Amino acid sequence: EVQLVQSGAEVKKPGESLKISCKGSGYSFGNFWIGWVRQMPGKGLEWMGIIYPGDSDTTYSPSFQGQVSISADKSISTVYLQWTSLKASDTAMYYCARAGGIVAEFDYWGQGTLVTVSS
Amino acid sequence: FTLTQPHSVSESPGKTVTISCTRSSGSIAINYVQWYQQRPGSSPTTVIFEHNQRPSGVPDRFSGSIDSSSNSASLTISGLKTEDEADYYCQSYDSADHIFGTGTKVTVL
Repeated sequence: EVQLVQSGAEVKKPGESLKISCKGSGYSFGNFWIGWVRQMPGKGLEWMGIIYPGDSDTTYSPSFQGQVSISADKSISTVYLQWTSLKASDTAMYYCARAGGIVAEFDYWGQGTLVTVSS
Repeated sequence: FTLTQPHSVSESPGKTVTISCTRSSGSIAINYVQWYQQRPGSSPTTVIFEHNQRPSGVPDRFSGSIDSSSNSASLTISGLKTEDEADYYCQSYDSADHIFGTGTKVTVL
């Protein structure tokens, strides 16, 4: 069974750093893309970026380029989303999702990680 | 580019609803459109991919289409059930970005 399990909820202060994770199982992890999607409170979905764990090829949405970093550790079937300096506006639910190609649909989704940034 | 959807649609059980997704620039037909369902408090799931393909397990009450004349995609849900009450998002891409639509709340009266 394909599963994407995300790390737990985080509460951080503005200016702090954060790395959240998404661990895949039940499939050949290195052969599928993993994307990240943001959903701010009460708002819609936003495509952030995507990585191919096989070679760490990464593409970012222009809206998120330079704001976050996406990385992967194929040896432990895990993809990461990282911030170096959080802002209150980063408060959101973050989903990881699997795709068969860089433009393919997301066929499996993680359960989401809620990030709250507040002083 | 942007993908614009109606904010909300409502209909009674057993009826049919159609949600539009209008692309602001670039051809709707060239890049695949997917549709995602998000029930309250849950992660999204795919109901349509590659314009009109249904993943296994998605009932055939869900169908997708595109209309090049209006540069839009549509998701149609027939035989509406209370379990279909959710937010629905279209999604597509171009060479520079991947975009989700603005989202449509479907209410089953």
